[in-house]
Amino acid sequence: ETGVTQSPTHLIKTRGQQVTLRCSSQSGHNTVSWYQQALGQGPQFIFQYYREEENGRGNFPPRFSGLQFPNYSSELNVNALELDDSALYLCASSMNTDTQYFGPGTRLTVL
Amino acid sequence: DQQVKQNSPSLSVQEGRISILNCDYTNSMFDYFLWYKKYPAEGPTFLISISSIKDKNEDGRFTVFLNKSAKHLSLHIVPSQPGDSAVYFCAASAGDTNAGKSTFGDGTTLTVKP
Repeated sequence: ETGVTQSPTHLIKTRGQQVTLRCSSQSGHNTVSWYQQALGQGPQFIFQYYREEENGRGNFPPRFSGLQFPNYSSELNVNALELDDSALYLCASSMNTDTQYFGPGTRLTVL
Repeated sequence: DQQVKQNSPSLSVQEGRISILNCDYTNSMFDYFLWYKKYPAEGPTFLISISSIKDKNEDGRFTVFLNKSAKHLSLHIVPSQPGDSAVYFCAASAGDTNAGKSTFGDGTTLTVKP
C-alpha cells in the first residue's frame, strides 16, 4: 500500500509567480485536506476536497485554489505569490472522515 | 486569536519517566481533539484522539485527558522512550466528522534523554 506522496519536495519561486503543488492520496482514500505550516507554527487548514468537490475552506484568500481528480489525487494552486506564502505545504488523505494520513510536505520558498 | 495553544515550545524528560504535554483551547464549539506526532522531514502522524463525551482515552503508553470546564487537554506518555522524541501537535475540531479540517496548536518539541 502506497502512502501519501507530494511533489515537488522543494520549490523556489519569486513574488508574483504562480505555483502548483501535487498530492497523491493513499490508495482507497477519497478525501484530501491541504494545510500550510509556517516556520515554528502548527499546520493551518487551507481547504478540503471530497470526491472532487470542495468541502470546507479555512481563512485563506481566493488566490489559493485546488482541484481533486477522479483518481483522488489533488493539486494546490497559489497565484500572485507573496513572501508570506513561504511555508511547508502538507496534504493529508483519508477515507471519508476517518483518520488522516499526511504526506511529507512541499517546502515552498518565495523570494 | 489562536484558538488552540500549546504554551510549552519544548519539554525534556528522562527515558522511563512520564512526559506530559499540555494544550488549551478557547473555541467552545470544539468537541473533538487529536494529538499528532511529527518527525523531521515527515508529515504528522495521528497518535490518539478524544471526544468531549469522554474525559480520558488510552492507547498503550499514550493517554489523553480532557477537562472540558477548563478547556484543557493533556497527553501523557508513560514510560517515555528515546523514539518518542518528536514534535507533538494538539488539534481540535467541531465534531469528529470535521477532524480533517482541524485547528492545530504550534507544537511542543519533546526530547527524551537516554
